[in-house]
Amino acid sequence: AQSVTQLGSHVSVSEGALVLLRCNYSSSVPPYLFWYVQYPNQGLQLLLKYTTGATLVKGINGFEAEFKKSETSFHLTKPSAHMSDAAEYFCAVPFTGRRALTFGSGTRLQVQP
Amino acid sequence: DVKVTQSSRYLVKRTGEKVFLECVQDMDHENMFWYRQDPGLGLRLIYFSYDVKMKEKGDIPEGYSVSREKKERFSLILESASTNQTSMYLCASSRDRALFFGPGTRLTVL
Repeated sequence: AQSVTQLGSHVSVSEGALVLLRCNYSSSVPPYLFWYVQYPNQGLQLLLKYTTGATLVKGINGFEAEFKKSETSFHLTKPSAHMSDAAEYFCAVPFTGRRALTFGSGTRLQVQP
Repeated sequence: DVKVTQSSRYLVKRTGEKVFLECVQDMDHENMFWYRQDPGLGLRLIYFSYDVKMKEKGDIPEGYSVSREKKERFSLILESASTNQTSMYLCASSRDRALFFGPGTRLTVL
């Protein structure tokens, strides 16, 4: 079955620490991969988009994601967390045969002062 | 700038009522989507539309219908609201497979 798995529904880091949010997908290499961010009481905002060819993708707010074909992973990182990064993050994949994106269940990032 | 608007941010309805959620996009996108978002379940696709008057069921269409009479507007209809439809509803349109979301409607069915 086609699925997107985000390991860890909640992640807590200290301000200034590395942020690592994990995403794995179950399919052959998709043409695109996405990360979205959702701040409280808001809709989802596109954080970054991977397209075939690149392995490291830079997004907004200092986030980046690395595509690893051998691991079917697309983990999101940020070198130094800021309080304003506290939000929920979703990984999304357009599986073959589906027009819509399939989303992971989300990871809520908490940043401690 | 990309803009998707939804008619209400918060809505409270009673069981059995017919509920309309409206979504408008100003980007001339052909594809529009309705998702619902529940804690721990992420986003689940209810319906999508790839052209005016064209629609396809998503993963959880039961209890919902949709209408797309104009390219910019995509409506979600709860024919007879039930308490298990209490949720956050997110509308989106797409370009190059990227989705652009509205702010969401938090619906409570009592």
